[in-house]
Formats: sequence, structure tokens, C-alpha cells
Amino acid sequence: GEQVEQLPSSLIVQEGASVLINCSYTDSASVYFPWYKQEPGKRLQFIIDIRSNMERKQNQRLTLLFDKKTKHLSLHITATQPGDSAIYFCSASIGTGGYKVVFGSGTRLL
Amino acid sequence: GGIITQTPKFLIGQEGQKLTLKCQQNFNHDTMYWYRQDSGKGLRLIYYSITENDLQKGDLSEGYDASREKKSSFSLTVTSAQKNEMAVFLCASRDSNNQAPLFGEGTRLSVL
Repeated sequence: GEQVEQLPSSLIVQEGASVLINCSYTDSASVYFPWYKQEPGKRLQFIIDIRSNMERKQNQRLTLLFDKKTKHLSLHITATQPGDSAIYFCSASIGTGGYKVVFGSGTRLL
Repeated sequence: GGIITQTPKFLIGQEGQKLTLKCQQNFNHDTMYWYRQDSGKGLRLIYYSITENDLQKGDLSEGYDASREKKSSFSLTVTSAQKNEMAVFLCASRDSNNQAPLFGEGTRLSVL
């Protein structure tokens, strides 16, 4: 099965509202989870990350929650702006040494 | 600041052709990656390299070869291009396993 599952695949949100993007992973040895934003025609941009020894991390309007027991992450974006329209990807370092990085299928935020 | 440069930006090939994509980084990063992104879909890992001269297969390595002859460069070869294949190939690099990989702008492949 998928190593990283991401939902929903797309979201339509009103400006100013909040959104929640969910990810789950299968490798219980994963310790590092970077998230990215991809705007049309631009390179993937790193936006926030979390390590498995943390439960929560905030970067301005982004809050990332991590539940090691359920192997689940949630990215919360508050006060959304037009510039937030993009595809968001979660990822996880997996395998021995954590060198291998695999991605979820993405969430398109409109 | 550093940069990851992918060449070419656009690549048009013929069915059955062998095609090579190149990636250079000047961050002095140890680990480098090649991903494939199909339209509207996520990134699938083709190959990665932990250090110079190392190669590790990803989940999508069949049909591809890779080469890491120098720390700063990582090339990917499509061994036999498939008709009507269209995808973007993304290169990334990172310094350590506690840092996020940084990405290049991609090479967009079309096969006629």
C-alpha cells in the first residue's frame, strides 16, 4: 500500500477561512516529516517540518500536529489568502537511516 | 546562496530513445534524489544517492538508470522512452536526514 497517504485530494476554501490537510504514514521508524507547497510553474517550496519527538510546530499561519501513536499528521492553515492557492505535499523519511523520502499524493487548495 | 540546476528544462524525445537528464547542486549536499511527477499527481521516487558513487533504487526505478559520479551532480537516464509519455522529473538534494530536501525547477519530458 501507499507509504504516505494524504487527504483530501482537493479543497475549496473562502479567503480568511482555515483548512486542514491530513497525512498518515506506515513506517513506524519514520522520524522526520517535511511539508511542501507547489505553486503553478514554480519549484517545490519547503514550508514546515516536524520531528517525531515533537507533537506540534507552528510557523506563522501554519501549524503542524503530529501523533506518533496513530502515525498521523495534520497541517492547519489559518486565515487563508489568495497566495495560499497551491498544491501541498506531505512527506516522510523512511527506511534505514531515513535517507529515503517519500511523498503523499498532494492536496490542491483553491 | 546555493542552487539546484536541472538541464534541460524541456526535453522532447522519440519512442524508444535513451534520454539523459542532469542535475547540479552547489550546496555541497551529500544526498540527492530523482522524482517523477505526473500531471496532477504526487512525487514518486525513482533513485536516490546517499553520497558520491552511491545509488539506491526508489519505488519507480524500472526503466531508469542513474549516475552519481561527483558529489555535486546526479544524472538520470530514461533507458527507453515510452510513446506519449509526459511527466516532470524533479531533482532534490539535502545535507542531512534532519533537513528537508531542496528542489530544482524540473525537467519536463514529452515523448512523441
